[in-house]
Amino acid sequence: DSGVTQTPKHLITATGQRVTLRCSPRSGDLSVYWYQQSLDQGLQFLIQYYNGEERAKGNILERFSAQQFPDLHSELNLSPLELGDSALYFCASSVGSGGQETQYFGPGTRLLVL
Amino acid sequence: LAKTTQPISMDSYEGQEVNITCSHNNIATNDYITWYQQFPSQGPRFIIQGYKTKVTNEVASLFIPADRKSSTLSLPRVSLSDTAVYYCLVSEQNSNYQLIWGAGTKLIIKP
Repeated sequence: DSGVTQTPKHLITATGQRVTLRCSPRSGDLSVYWYQQSLDQGLQFLIQYYNGEERAKGNILERFSAQQFPDLHSELNLSPLELGDSALYFCASSVGSGGQETQYFGPGTRLLVL
Repeated sequence: LAKTTQPISMDSYEGQEVNITCSHNNIATNDYITWYQQFPSQGPRFIIQGYKTKVTNEVASLFIPADRKSSTLSLPRVSLSDTAVYYCLVSEQNSNYQLIWGAGTKLIIKP
């Protein structure tokens, strides 16, 4: 158990809908990262927040948005959903914001868009 | 911007040493190199991190040559439970901070 929690574990929804994925980092961690992993594909880095501020942006689509709240939990919003958004979404956290930080990954949220 | 390249897959046998190499040609002076392990339907897990030369911990070693254009993850005496996907990550430290992940190497260990 990494100490990072993600909810929900599974989500089934339809194209055009909106979903919110939630991540709670490890106690004391200030950075949160979001990743997308499609079936049998590698990790796609989406975005990183550090202490409430955006730190780095990867391949995040304009239909996606994220934020980190004062209590350091983070949410990833996806809208409007498309079939290709079906994937496993991981959240990770680390203490600091630099490249030497070890990222601790949550169990993921599996999203299925029908 | 660095680009990372890894072999798509590798096979080995129990008890052997396995070396997985990641190429990162445009790595900058201050960039870190990190390796993660991922089992199916689980989040990746940190294995080892280095900056230059050689780093060793209880599960692996990481070799980084002087030009830092590649790095090699070495797993000693692998077992069936080491079957997983291994990712290298280059963390860029310049003003345009970025995380550059490799596509992953699927390692299959045979009995």
